[in-house]
Amino acid sequence: GQQVMQIPQYQHVQEGEDFTTYCNSSTTLSNIQWYKQRPGGHPVFLIQLVKSGEVKKQKRLTFQFGEAKKNSSLHITATQTTDVGTYFCAGWTGANNLFFGTGTRLTVIP
Amino acid sequence: SQTIHQWPATLVQPVGSPLSLECTVEGTSNPNLYWYRQAAGRGLQLLFYSVGIGQISSEVPQNLSASRPQDRQFILSSKKLLLSDSGFYLCAWSSIGTGQPQHFGDGTRLSIL
Repeated sequence: GQQVMQIPQYQHVQEGEDFTTYCNSSTTLSNIQWYKQRPGGHPVFLIQLVKSGEVKKQKRLTFQFGEAKKNSSLHITATQTTDVGTYFCAGWTGANNLFFGTGTRLTVIP
Repeated sequence: SQTIHQWPATLVQPVGSPLSLECTVEGTSNPNLYWYRQAAGRGLQLLFYSVGIGQISSEVPQNLSASRPQDRQFILSSKKLLLSDSGFYLCAWSSIGTGQPQHFGDGTRLSIL
C-alpha cells in the first residue's frame, strides 16, 4: 500500500544551525503538502507543491518537490526556537486520501 | 472565514464506556471531513473521511464509527472503548475536490483508564 516515509525521525540542532527533513513516497504523487505541529498543538498547513522539480520559499523555509514527484524536502535556514515542532509531509495520489508521512520532530537548543 | 470546532479538548473515560466526539465546521459548504488519531509522539492515522452527508469511508477496522448527520458536522463514536483507543483525535476539513489542504481542529486528548 501507499507509504510516505520521513527522515530523520528526530533532529536536535543548535539555534542558528540549518535543518532538513526528507520525505519519500513509494508511489508517484499528484502533489505534496507540508504541515507543522507545535508541541501540544494540531497540524497546521504550510505549503503545497504540485509541479515536478518545484521549489518554493517561505522566509527561512525552502520546500522542494522531486523531479519524479516521489520525494520532497523541507530546509530551514538558521533555525530559531520558534521552529520547534514536528514537520509532516503529506502526499496526494489522486484519490480522496492524503497520506501523511511519519514526521520529523525538531528540537532547537538555545 | 472558515473555522473548525472540536470538543471536548480532553476526555478521560473508563474501559467499556461509550464515546462521542463532535466536530463542526463554519464558513464553508460541502467540505470533505476527516477523523485522524495520533498516538503520543507518532504520526497521523486516518480513521474516517466523508465527502458528503451520510457518506463515510473507513480506513482501518476498529471499534470506532463515524457519522455525518449534517453537512458541516462530523461525529466519532464508539459503543465500548478499549485501552488501545487512547490518543489524540483530530478532526479536519478540506474544500471539495482532491488534493486540497486540510485544516485541523484543536483535537481531543482521550485517555482510557
